[in-house]
Amino acid sequence: SAVISQKPSRDICQRGTSLTIQCQVDSQVTMMFWYRQQPGQSLTLIATANQGSEATYESGFVIDKFPISRPNLTFSTLTVSNMSPEDSSIYLCSVEVRAYEQYFGPGTRLTVT
Amino acid sequence: DQQVKQNSPSLSVQEGRISILNCDYTNSMFDYFLWYKKYPAEGPTFLISISSIKDKNEDGRFTVFLNKSAKHLSLHIVPSQPGDSAVYFCAASGVSSGNTGKLIFGQGTTLQVKP
Repeated sequence: SAVISQKPSRDICQRGTSLTIQCQVDSQVTMMFWYRQQPGQSLTLIATANQGSEATYESGFVIDKFPISRPNLTFSTLTVSNMSPEDSSIYLCSVEVRAYEQYFGPGTRLTVT
Repeated sequence: DQQVKQNSPSLSVQEGRISILNCDYTNSMFDYFLWYKKYPAEGPTFLISISSIKDKNEDGRFTVFLNKSAKHLSLHIVPSQPGDSAVYFCAASGVSSGNTGKLIFGQGTTLQVKP
């Protein structure tokens, strides 16, 4: 398994601003993922972040809105840019510990007013 | 298009009895399935998984059954305990379809185990 931490755990932001969420893992991992869980919805993959390469975004998500950094094998950031109330969600990072199996961080609960 | 579906939003069972959570999928290219448990204000916790080459996988009180012909999987919890009360998500992955690492989640089922 892996121990994953996220900062901040929650935040309340004003529309039009940006928030950067940090994800730290206690071991080196190749694949990291960022998900979003909107209120009452399931988890949706935003992008896959591999160290040393550009993040791969899923349909409906773009780099200008959700820029991602992956500077090393234990750390990644997701920025939610130019926020609107529709961005209010729980944002989760995960890592692939073994083939197919992902472990998740505790999540960042974002409210945009 | 919802490729992974959990049609029961909630389930209530008595402590000590069996809990059965169901999940259906539409994409026959999925070859790995997982169950996660999620408590409020926490991230999902991995529970158990099954490869498409198997029809059953057991880990303690948790057993997952896979019926490929019906595109259906279920999670059995026996015996159920009040601490099992949480939201359960099933997820699917398919390397063979090019979605390396990507998990597609169902909507979740809220399980309540009554003492």
